[in-house]
Amino acid sequence: EPEVTQTPSHQVTQMGQEVILRCVPISNHLYFYWYRQILGQKVEFLVSFYNNEISEKSEIFDDQFSVERPDGSNFTLKIRSTKLEDSAMYFCASQPIHNSPLHFGNGTRLTVT
Amino acid sequence: DAKTTQPPSMDCAEGRAANLPCNHSTISGNEYVYWYRQIHSQGPQYIIHGLKNNETNEMASLIITEDRKSSTLILPHATLRDTAVYYCIVRVPHRGSTLGRLYFGRGTQLTVWP
Repeated sequence: EPEVTQTPSHQVTQMGQEVILRCVPISNHLYFYWYRQILGQKVEFLVSFYNNEISEKSEIFDDQFSVERPDGSNFTLKIRSTKLEDSAMYFCASQPIHNSPLHFGNGTRLTVT
Repeated sequence: DAKTTQPPSMDCAEGRAANLPCNHSTISGNEYVYWYRQIHSQGPQYIIHGLKNNETNEMASLIITEDRKSSTLILPHATLRDTAVYYCIVRVPHRGSTLGRLYFGRGTQLTVWP
């Protein structure tokens, strides 16, 4: 069964550094998402992306965050200048058509020191 | 933002049915109820969804009350691998868009014991 894959599984970075989290959504899916989960807390929506543009973003998704689908297969989340509070699991998800279930990857654990 | 209410924890004996309740009393007519689960910090895994009819798939059954204000997820023969946090989610449309974000609450921690 096709799945969403995320790399790396664990990323450690220093405060102030830029990080790029990578996702390969399921082929032929059209809608893409990033969510995050701080340790012990809820899964939180960050951003949705469709037709090469952001459809919706949450209050968390400020100017430090950006998303891109550079080559038709990868979907990336960039954090420009990481902060300690950005430490979390970041989950990518994709969806074939609207109102269908989201398929999540197994996440990237980001640790900012 | 909470649109659903679930008990924080439940347990179930292996091989027995697990019935996980969810209240969504403010649900609108066009909002679907989705169930996901999360096993030990892995990515959320889709289980089932429905609008107003009961649904069944290879993983579970979903029973939605006639007034749509509550639902129950049924795992007919729970196994140890079903131990997870189960989330009941009402999909909220965004400005008429059908994309809509998923609001994950705290969910129900289901523990299946041998």
